[in-house]
Amino acid sequence: DIQMTQSPSSLSASVGDRVTISCRTSQTISIYLNWYQQKPGKAPKLLIYAASSLQSGVPSRFSGSGSGTDFTLTISNLQPEDFATYYCQQSYSTPLYTFGQGTNLEIK
Amino acid sequence: QLQLQESGPGLVKPSETLSLTCTVSGGSINSSRYYWGWIRQPPGKGLEWVGSISYSGSTYYNPSLKSRVTISVDTSKNQFSLKLTSVTATDTSVYYCAAIVVLVGAAGSWGQGTLVTVSS
Repeated sequence: DIQMTQSPSSLSASVGDRVTISCRTSQTISIYLNWYQQKPGKAPKLLIYAASSLQSGVPSRFSGSGSGTDFTLTISNLQPEDFATYYCQQSYSTPLYTFGQGTNLEIK
Repeated sequence: QLQLQESGPGLVKPSETLSLTCTVSGGSINSSRYYWGWIRQPPGKGLEWVGSISYSGSTYYNPSLKSRVTISVDTSKNQFSLKLTSVTATDTSVYYCAAIVVLVGAAGSWGQGTLVTVSS
């Protein structure tokens, strides 16, 4: 099984900040890594697929990078609506997928 | 734009079978572009992949649940379903259905989720 390690588990930031969230996998997965945003009481929303491709309709302040085992989600110029929980998900072992444990982004 | 909607009982007794259906609109469940999946989330916790089914009916289950899970597809109704047997309180979760783009393995469309509580 591919293990996912997200860090940090929680993060406090202010509007206008730039934040980065890390996701590390237990084995190399090329670029088969996706990122989701989830707000309380809502279904997750796809932000980034294939490590760095922006899903249609997602603001350009969201970006993803990485390959192999180390990946990063970056949010530039944080907006109030960005405070949420973020998950990474590997799709290398398709279609047996796994999620990271989540990063809770809170307002400082 | 695909839309998905879960339906089924919100309360299931321990040792019984949890059954949920996902109705797909805005596209055909016969599309080879998608897998159709179930993901669950215990209250206050993270996301767990339950399993997926292809348009041809091939199934893929989370190994930790494999002995208890069945996912099936009904092309005539544009629906797919989840059955989870011998449930316990640890199966209490919000259950989401999702459309997974096969090419990248990303869930681009989700249902709103349905809370299933296991309790007597």
